[in-house]
Amino acid sequence: DQQVKQNSPSLSVQEGRISILNCDYTNSMFDYFLWYKKYPAEGPTFLISISSIKDKNEDGRFTVFLNKSAKHLSLHIVPSQPGDSAVYFCAARTSTDSWGKLQFGAGTQVVVTP
Amino acid sequence: DSGVTQTPKHLITATGQRVTLRCSPRSGDLSVYWYQQSLDQGLQFLIQYYNGEERAKGNILERFSAQQFPDLHSELNLSSLELGDSALYFCASSLTGGGNQPQHFGDGTRLSIL
Repeated sequence: DQQVKQNSPSLSVQEGRISILNCDYTNSMFDYFLWYKKYPAEGPTFLISISSIKDKNEDGRFTVFLNKSAKHLSLHIVPSQPGDSAVYFCAARTSTDSWGKLQFGAGTQVVVTP
Repeated sequence: DSGVTQTPKHLITATGQRVTLRCSPRSGDLSVYWYQQSLDQGLQFLIQYYNGEERAKGNILERFSAQQFPDLHSELNLSSLELGDSALYFCASSLTGGGNQPQHFGDGTRLSIL
């Protein structure tokens, strides 16, 4: 049962433009959400997170938006840079389920073109 | 560099064999997690340890076991290996495991079963 879904397997964006990555979830008990970036042959790197008590969190070029009523979150990258080309994973966790266990989406491959 | 070290980077073995994957968490982190990423799939949670004790289990096969040692490094043991066990195995660590703490990932061990 896939509780975290990233329905876009890939995204192509021009350098300097905004990248918007989407993630949907089905478990209303999720209370902490994270985005990770992964380059080939490396492990996932933590990017940004958001607690369910917030609807927006910003860190530099990265902003995560959470819409709890729609069970939807998104990651905005502005402006997109060539180094942002990677696979991005959305992850979620409940405070009551398996204490820290993360559930991951399948990932979105982002390609930033010149 | 996440500070999480996994060895070996690559492992090639045959069906029916047993292997041990090793993980050293970031300095100060007490919680260790193991994830499996099979071809074209997202990361699947296997098991979590906190300060030497098992805290949470995912869909980990009975042929797989793990432990966390007093120096906080962890080992994942995979036995009676099957072709379907070929995957990337990631270790992650966090300060405790509760609360809103990101998990930091190592670069993984790629296991190939021939």
